[in-house]
Amino acid sequence: QSALTQPPSASGSPGQSVTISCTGSSSDVGGYNYVSWYQQHPGKVPKLMIYEVNKRPSGVPDRFSGSKSGKTASLTVSGLQEEDEADYYCSSYAGSNKLVFGGGTKLTVL
Amino acid sequence: QVQLQESGPGLVKPSETLSLTCAVSGGFISSSSYYWGWIRQPPGKGLEWIGIVYHNGNTYHNPSLKRRVAMSVDTSTNQFSLKLSSVTAADTALYYCVREDMVATRVDFWGQGTLVTVSS
Repeated sequence: QSALTQPPSASGSPGQSVTISCTGSSSDVGGYNYVSWYQQHPGKVPKLMIYEVNKRPSGVPDRFSGSKSGKTASLTVSGLQEEDEADYYCSSYAGSNKLVFGGGTKLTVL
Repeated sequence: QVQLQESGPGLVKPSETLSLTCAVSGGFISSSSYYWGWIRQPPGKGLEWIGIVYHNGNTYHNPSLKRRVAMSVDTSTNQFSLKLSSVTAADTALYYCVREDMVATRVDFWGQGTLVTVSS
């Protein structure tokens, strides 16, 4: 069970869009539509932003969207705002009731 | 609103066993829709899924932790627990107890986390 691969960092200016990738294998991302994304501000608890690839929990702005193609899932943040600056983690179901996380991406709003 | 609260020693000696408990309020561990689990985060690093326990006692854990992990649930007190044996400095982390949706495999509720340091 290897960690999913995310870029260490991403950035964008206010109002722009940024996409963060999450690459796995056919045993996790590629095999199931159970990819979630979490936002974590410094010193805070992670917050669920996307689940089942592209569904948003109640209260999450529609600026956040998810997608998947093959073994790579993506989180897109549109209309970047200062408060979007945070660490983002993807996770995927990996079979046999197991989950695997990505290494995290630090999103900087320039 | 479900709330989770971790408790346990903040300092554990190398080779000993880390023991944590999570108290659940606002929801029942006996719910058939959820797993109850543990996720950890070493200082300055990413999230690592440790494992989950179901209300019937079934457990599933990260293979990388091999046989060091044991989890249990107590429906009478609405609590669940984690034991991690033979700890080393690499096990130093913020440990979160969480609720995981069985179907969507999303983690929708998190405790505040408790820092466990492994040091002599």
